[in-house]
Amino acid sequence: DQQVKQNSPSLSVQEGRISILNCDYTNSMFDYFLWYKKYPAEGPTFLISISSIKDKNEDGRFTVFLNKSAKHLSLHIVPSQPGDSAVYFCAASGDSGTYKYIFGTGTRLKVLA
Amino acid sequence: DVKVTQSSRYLVKRTGEKVFLECVQDMDHENMFWYRQDPGLGLRLIYFSYDVKMKEKGDIPEGYSVSREKKERFSLILESASTNQTSMYLCASSLGQGGLDTQYFGPGTRLTVL
Repeated sequence: DQQVKQNSPSLSVQEGRISILNCDYTNSMFDYFLWYKKYPAEGPTFLISISSIKDKNEDGRFTVFLNKSAKHLSLHIVPSQPGDSAVYFCAASGDSGTYKYIFGTGTRLKVLA
Repeated sequence: DVKVTQSSRYLVKRTGEKVFLECVQDMDHENMFWYRQDPGLGLRLIYFSYDVKMKEKGDIPEGYSVSREKKERFSLILESASTNQTSMYLCASSLGQGGLDTQYFGPGTRLTVL
């Protein structure tokens, strides 16, 4: 049972435009969410996070939005750059006792120059 | 800067061999994790450890064991490698504080079992 879902396996966006990556979750107990970026042959790197007490967090070109009632979060990248081409994973946690995160299946973003 | 290193980037083993994957972190983190990444399946947790000599099973522990004798080192052991264990293996560590606890990943080991 996939508790964290990224329903779009891939996304192509023109350079300079907005990229929107989506993530849905089923467990209402999740209260921390992270986004990771992964280049081929490298480990994932942390990008941005949000806790359930907020509905938006911004860091430069990256903004994460959380809609708790819809159990949905999204990552916005504005403006998109070719170097943003990577696989993006969302991850969720609500079990702070063990610090476990459940990861989505990833979305491959391709930014076209 | 957190550094998580893994002993090998690429590894080729034969079916039935015992395989050791080593992970070292240099930030005195309490928690360490082993994941495997497969196309279409994302990252799946194999085992994690929240203290020296302490471990907990993740979502897919079958066929694997782990060892954490020192705080900075977490080993993943494939007792008898099988072809369905061909995958990218990722190690991660985190500070172990309450609440938001960011995980930092190593570069990964791509294991091929023939």
